[in-house]
Amino acid sequence: EAGVTQSPTHLIKTRGQQATLRCSPISGHTSVYWYQQALGLGLQFLLWYDEGEERNRGNFPPRFSGRQFPNYSSELNVNALELEDSALYLCASSLGQFDSGNTIYFGEGSWLTVV
Amino acid sequence: QQPVQSPQAVILREGEDAVINCSSSKALYSVHWYRQKHGEAPVFLMILLKGGEQKGHEKISASFNEKKQQSSLYLTASQLSYSGTYFCGTESDDSWGKLQFGAGTQVVVTP
Repeated sequence: EAGVTQSPTHLIKTRGQQATLRCSPISGHTSVYWYQQALGLGLQFLLWYDEGEERNRGNFPPRFSGRQFPNYSSELNVNALELEDSALYLCASSLGQFDSGNTIYFGEGSWLTVV
Repeated sequence: QQPVQSPQAVILREGEDAVINCSSSKALYSVHWYRQKHGEAPVFLMILLKGGEQKGHEKISASFNEKKQQSSLYLTASQLSYSGTYFCGTESDDSWGKLQFGAGTQVVVTP
């Protein structure tokens, strides 16, 4: 069974540009999460989508946005890129069974470098 | 609110034991533990739900004290493969589905 897949693996952008990252969840999973992991730091919660709706977002500015498509895949958009946006962006998915433990599984991530 | 992990780092010799702690200021519904090796995605280890249960995965086990909003991960008779950064993720009672992670504990197991 395929795991969470993300693309692109690496992306280099110039400050001020926009970046789009994509994620395909594990088959059958309806929830998708996005996390930012800056070099040497922990996992910062960005966004959570479930059944096509944004359910929650972390403490990030509005230029971080995304959406979930009817097939449950998701994309993360980062507008007006800043140097400090350089990080590993991890996508994770889950079955969305919140009343029995919601295990999330991570993809390999997309490295975004802003120059 | 992100959970707080301690210690920040630990160095072990093969065969030694270690404990990693995770605490939250909020009432917790669940605690999740992951291990991330350098350059790789975090890998799920175990999930503990409200109820104070203890779980095990080979020689790695964890406990969850819901009254204290704390969880501990126990690495027993550590192996070289246990090296990595361990993250605890917490889901609070009032925010199901939103999993927030601590800063991580770097574990280095030496021969």
